[in-house]
Amino acid sequence: GAGVSQSPSNKVTEKGKDVELRCDPISGHTALYWYRQSLGQGLEFLIYFQGNSAPDKSGLPSDRFSAERTGGSVSTLTIQRTQQEDSAVYLCASGAGGASPYEQYFGPGTRLTVT
Amino acid sequence: AQSVAQPEDQVNVAEGNPLTVKCTYSVSGNPYLFWYVQYPNRGLQFLLKYITGDNLVKGSYGFEAEFNKSQTSFHLKKPSALVSDSALYFCAVRGWADTGRRALTFGSGTRLQVQP
Repeated sequence: GAGVSQSPSNKVTEKGKDVELRCDPISGHTALYWYRQSLGQGLEFLIYFQGNSAPDKSGLPSDRFSAERTGGSVSTLTIQRTQQEDSAVYLCASGAGGASPYEQYFGPGTRLTVT
Repeated sequence: AQSVAQPEDQVNVAEGNPLTVKCTYSVSGNPYLFWYVQYPNRGLQFLLKYITGDNLVKGSYGFEAEFNKSQTSFHLKKPSALVSDSALYFCAVRGWADTGRRALTFGSGTRLQVQP
């Protein structure tokens, strides 16, 4: 694809429900990141995948958050038992990977609203 | 730990005037520095990055940034602002020795408003 795509673009859910957010990275990119952007805040790192290596989950705010990346491509971020403080824009980014400081390419984000 | 500070929540500038958006950073070792721009209802777009070499880096849309190691700054600049430059700008840093993590640490963002 031409860029990183995310779905859905908007998600409204009730407190306590589970949600799944999807990211399709740029073809061939081995690195994939999830970030969270809360209203008026900068971007907060959540999780990082690089090839077949174990993901870096150090940014996940609680055990209600998890993510997987299947086949080294598509990734799904799952939030269980959503809380109102989970409301934010969830951004996915992909990059070429490797040791060089590559730029990350961001998707348009999924706006999550927990009511 | 690494951090980025963008001291101005908003910068206002008249069209045609030069603009500067400030960024300072803190990181162990040599930094990798980035600027991204976010237009309304759109994802972040990469503008430019500093890795090594010339302290003045040129990027997309006529933007440039100057790396100053002694002041730990990486200010974004443009000689002549356009109304279409109005957007949210993020500075980000990645450390040289970051134990394998390649995630960026972002500043809180600066909203640039260019008046016609």
